[in-house]
Amino acid sequence: AQTVTQSQPEMSVQEAETVTLSCTYDTSESDYYLFWYKQPPSRQMILVIRQEAYKQQNATENRFSVNFQKAAKSFSLKISDSQLGDAAMYFCAYRDLSNFGNEKLTFGTGTRLTIIP
Amino acid sequence: DAGVTQSPTHLIKTRGQQVTLRCSPKSGHDTVSWYQQALGQGPQFIFQYYEEEERQRGNFPDRFSGHQFPNYSSELNVNALLLGDSALYLCASSLEPRGSPLHFGNGTRLTVT
Repeated sequence: AQTVTQSQPEMSVQEAETVTLSCTYDTSESDYYLFWYKQPPSRQMILVIRQEAYKQQNATENRFSVNFQKAAKSFSLKISDSQLGDAAMYFCAYRDLSNFGNEKLTFGTGTRLTIIP
Repeated sequence: DAGVTQSPTHLIKTRGQQVTLRCSPKSGHDTVSWYQQALGQGPQFIFQYYEEEERQRGNFPDRFSGHQFPNYSSELNVNALLLGDSALYLCASSLEPRGSPLHFGNGTRLTVT
């Protein structure tokens, strides 16, 4: 079974600074997606960034970028120029695409990010 | 363009009762998944519905059941509620083919007393 581990329960960063959230995962599959989701107090899971396992290039979305190390099964999220609105729970998630129909998301336990003004 | 909508927002039930949660997918989406998120934890997959059939199921007992209607909306039913069923229940929708992004609703907070 696939597992996702987030070893940082809480992180904090000064506004405008850069912070990196860590995630490791375990799988024997080769075809999968990795995601970072943000969950603010409104409770809605918001997709931050997605990485396809077959792509070597790291995904980037504006101030958000990932460091995807497939061999090490590591998938970290870097947030540049942190803003107050970035404060939220961040979840790393895995989605296996090897078998049709097996598309559930497996989530980590989350990292609570606090932005210090 | 309405996103994923869930109802009710909150509800309180007593142990042993039954509950039904509802979800309307994002416009144009045909696949609905349900997740349970206990306090301080990441969401856990319950099951997924596509073409009105349960396509995949997580490690949840048969007390958890669901349904998808022809308009793609979905219900999650939980029978014989336990205190441990208290959680945030999230609905997510997506569009085939596989690999399309999931869009989540704001969830239903269920408290079992």
